[in-house]
Parts: sequence; C-alpha cells; structure tokens
Amino acid sequence: QKEVEQDPGPLSVPEGAIVSLNCTYSNSAFQYFMWYRQYSRKGPELLMYTYSSGNKEDGRFTAQVDKSSKYISLFIRDSQPSDSATYLCAMSDRGSTLGRLYFGRGTQLTVWP
Amino acid sequence: EADIYQTPRYLVIGTGKKITLECSQTMGHDKMYWYQQDPGMELHLIHYSYGVNSTEKGDLSSESTVSRIRTEHFPLTLESARPSHTSQYLCASSEGLAAPNEQFFGPGTRLTVL
Repeated sequence: QKEVEQDPGPLSVPEGAIVSLNCTYSNSAFQYFMWYRQYSRKGPELLMYTYSSGNKEDGRFTAQVDKSSKYISLFIRDSQPSDSATYLCAMSDRGSTLGRLYFGRGTQLTVWP
Repeated sequence: EADIYQTPRYLVIGTGKKITLECSQTMGHDKMYWYQQDPGMELHLIHYSYGVNSTEKGDLSSESTVSRIRTEHFPLTLESARPSHTSQYLCASSEGLAAPNEQFFGPGTRLTVL
C-alpha cells in the first residue's frame, strides 16, 4: 500500500469554479500536511501547509485535514486560468530528522476561461 | 523565488555516456535531495544528504551516485546512461531545522537517453 494516494486527474473546470483536490494516506504518524503547486516545466513550490487536523485559509485557497479519516483536501475558490498546474500533496511526520516528505502523484488541473 | 539551480535543463544523450546533473543552492541549507519524477507518478526520493560528506540512497533504487563536497553543491552522476534512465530529475534543499521542513525545488533536468 502506498503511503499517500492522490487521484492524478486530469481535472478540467471553467473559470470561477470551486475546485476540490484530495489525498488519502495510511501512516498515522504524519503530522504536517502540505500542498505543492507545480507549473509546467518548473519545480514544485509550497502553496500552504497545515499542522495536524483542522482548516487553514489563505486567500482563495483552503486546506483541510481530517486525521480520523486520514484524508486531506485543498479547495480553490473562484478558480483562475493561472491556477492551471499540477497540485501535489506531501506529508511528513514530526520526528523525522531528515525532514522526509512523502508525495502524492499530483492532480493535473486546467482552468479554462 | 527559491535560489536553487539545476543545469542542464534538458539533456538528450546516447546510451553508455557518462553524465552529471548539476544542482546548486545559495540558501546555505544543510539538507539536499534528488527526486525522480515521471509523468503521473509520485516524486521518488533517490538520494539525500544531511550535509557535507554525508550522502544516502533513497527509496527508489537508482544506478546514479551523488557527492556533497560543498554545502551548496549536490551533483548527480550516471556512469553509463541507459534508456531506462529517461526521466525528470528534481533537486531540492531544506533548512531542516524545524517542521514542516519546507523543501525548495529547482526547475528540474529533463533527461532523455536514446
């Protein structure tokens, strides 16, 4: 069983739509949950992160973590064509001295005008 | 914008050639990583380093080798490239002192072995 599962999509939505991206995981030791965004021909960059359970909002983006279900989500409100990218979830446990991250496969999102 | 650089960005090379993928960061980060990324697949950790003169293999078996002689430099070498090495290679670094351990990525090197 993979540590992190993420539906690769692709997902195609019209501008202004609400987008929901999700990941599930199996390791209950994971404490930090991150979303990276990767534009075509670029490296991933951190979009936002959440510690343990709960919600975190940053502008049009909201990250949610449900540790009881081992399920995390990223919501994008009022999606824009500039949001078109691949979104990767990543997770780590608190005790890792390496700071090891476990990544999902990424979901490819296209927002059309 | 992260100060981590990779060269070359694209490389097409014949089977059997020796290649070195360069990665440099100017952030003074101790921890550095190499990932392999194929379309629609997870980032697979192939090498990592805690600091100078420290290198370890990651989860994904790789025929490549790495070195860390200077903090800022973490090159990856393939002694004899094969078509199975065709992939995108991403280098990353992190301060690694405190969670959540944000990793900063370079733009990647897309390698094609003919």
